[in-house]
Amino acid sequence: DGGITQSPKYLFRKEGQNVTLSCEQNLNHDAMYWYRQDPGQGLRLIYYSQIVNDFQKGDIAEGYSVSREKKESFPLTVTSAQKNPTAFYLCASSFWEGSNQPQHFGDGTRLSIL
Amino acid sequence: AQKVTQAQTEISVVEKEDVTLDCVYETRDTTYYLFWYKQPPSGELVFLIRRNSFDEQNEISGRYSWNFQKSTSSFNFTITASQVVDSAVYFCALTEGYGQNFVFGPGTRLSVLP
Repeated sequence: DGGITQSPKYLFRKEGQNVTLSCEQNLNHDAMYWYRQDPGQGLRLIYYSQIVNDFQKGDIAEGYSVSREKKESFPLTVTSAQKNPTAFYLCASSFWEGSNQPQHFGDGTRLSIL
Repeated sequence: AQKVTQAQTEISVVEKEDVTLDCVYETRDTTYYLFWYKQPPSGELVFLIRRNSFDEQNEISGRYSWNFQKSTSSFNFTITASQVVDSAVYFCALTEGYGQNFVFGPGTRLSVLP
């Protein structure tokens, strides 16, 4: 079945450590996105990528990095510079052509600090 | 700047009651799109509907209906004869122009009690 796969489902980070969240899609979507969700708040955009080898900062990119070497994959690295990384992270994808295509979401990764 | 407000943080209803979730948006653009997503306890966001700014027709899909009113900048969502499976967090979102930069509201947590 087509969809978006995020792994791991739960992730723990030690102080000063970088961690990478995986996101893979087989929907042949052009664009991919990373969002952060905190309790009681909506989703906030971290990074997005319209095409391979190109990505743009969202509203809260500081302390995060991404890469887009393949159309299917858009990993997110939470660096040690991100001082408050505990959150639920959602990856999404969509077609880019045309207007305002719905985004399809993965099941999310819950990141906690040890 | 674009903004989405969902004033109802949490709503509880008893099964079979009707419930309306409010969404108020702000945008300076004349072309924009509005979305509703459902986030069940499993975490992934499920796309429910997309509406463009030129189409104010209300829409009904089974027990779900949407009321779009540009005069009040609102895009409200009604669930008729609610069921326990409707329990989730519901997000309203907005994109301006023909972009893919989604702005999400803070969400409304709906609990449907048996």
